[in-house]
Formats: sequence, C-alpha cells, structure tokens
Amino acid sequence: DAMVIQNPRYQVTQFGKPVTLSCSQTLNHNVMYWYQQKSSQAPKLLFHYYDKDFNNEADTPDNFQSRRPNTSFCFLDIRSPGLGDAAMYLCATSRPGASSEQYFGPGTRLTVT
Amino acid sequence: GQNIDQPTEMTATEGAIVQINCTYQTSGFNGLFWYQQHAGEAPTFLSYNVLDGLEEKGRFSSFLSRSKGYSYLLLKELQMKDSASYLCAPMDSNYQLIWGAGTKLIIKP
Repeated sequence: DAMVIQNPRYQVTQFGKPVTLSCSQTLNHNVMYWYQQKSSQAPKLLFHYYDKDFNNEADTPDNFQSRRPNTSFCFLDIRSPGLGDAAMYLCATSRPGASSEQYFGPGTRLTVT
Repeated sequence: GQNIDQPTEMTATEGAIVQINCTYQTSGFNGLFWYQQHAGEAPTFLSYNVLDGLEEKGRFSSFLSRSKGYSYLLLKELQMKDSASYLCAPMDSNYQLIWGAGTKLIIKP
C-alpha cells in the first residue's frame, strides 16, 4: 500500500543532543511537510517542500533544519533539543493544488530528557 | 490575522447526531478541510469544501458558508470509535492550511 512512513515512532534524546527524524513516502507526491504538534494544540507547520523547493515558515526556530535529498525522503534535524521541543512530529505529503488532501505518517513522539 | 475558532470539547451519546462548528478568518480562501485525529495518532482526512453548501459522505457531512466564514461537521449514528479530535483547517491564499486546535469529541454509551 502507498503510504507515509516515519522512523522512529518514539525517540528519546538528551537536552542539547542533536537528533534526526526521518520520513519516507511511496505516494510520489511533490509536496512534503513537517509539523510539530503538542498535546491538545493545532499542528504547527515547520517546513514544506514543493519538490526540492524549500520553504521555511517565518516562525520556525533556527534550531530546526530540514533536508529533502529526493522525492521519497525528508529529514528533520533538531540541532540542540530543548525541553520545549518535546512533541509529536508529523510528516505529511500531498499533490500540489488547493483540493489536495494531506496524507500523514504515524508521527514520531520526541521526548527530551 | 488568521484565526480558527472551534469548541474545545463536546460530549455526545452513542447513536446520536453531533454538529461541530468552526468559524475562521484567513487571508484568502482556497477551501476548507476537516480531519479526524485519534489520541496519539496522526490526522486523517475527512472532507473538503470549496463551494457553499453541504457535502455528504456516509455518516459524515460537512457544510460551508464562505460569506459567513463558517463550516460545520455533522456526524450521524455516532459510534464509540468516533471519539477523537476533529480539526478544522481552511486553506489560505498561499495554499497553506491554517489549523485549528481541534474539538475533542467524547462519545458516551
């Protein structure tokens, strides 16, 4: 089945220790997104790509970076995680266009100790 | 600014009907999405409205009034598995989804 895959599902890192989250898709969608979602809050868009065209949201902290080496893969790097970065990180993909729904991966739950 | 307003929590009874309202203000408008999110899981797509009126899809229907900046999600014949958060997300002129925090729906037997 075509899908969006995120690894790992649960990640524990130490305060200040860099961590990378990964996402892959078999849907061949042009657009990929990274969201941060904290409990009972709206998903917050961190980055999105249209193909390799990178878009950084204005309020995404510099501590977060992203890479998309090819259509299928996308990575989220957190350079120096703080306690406030503990959250669910969601990867999503879509076709371009207004009516195109976003398909989400299962998410990575990040804990910072 | 851009703003989404939906109730934080609602409670309904199994087998009943519930309507979840959403009002929004966005910079431009390219349609409105509803997503369902079970606790600890990712959102899944429910519906998309771009024109005024009601879209029906099985037990779920979604309504849009662009002039009022208003949408609702109607869930019929509620089942226990419908206990989840329901997120309203209009799309702005930059084709970005503006997400609400969601309405947590609790279904009681």
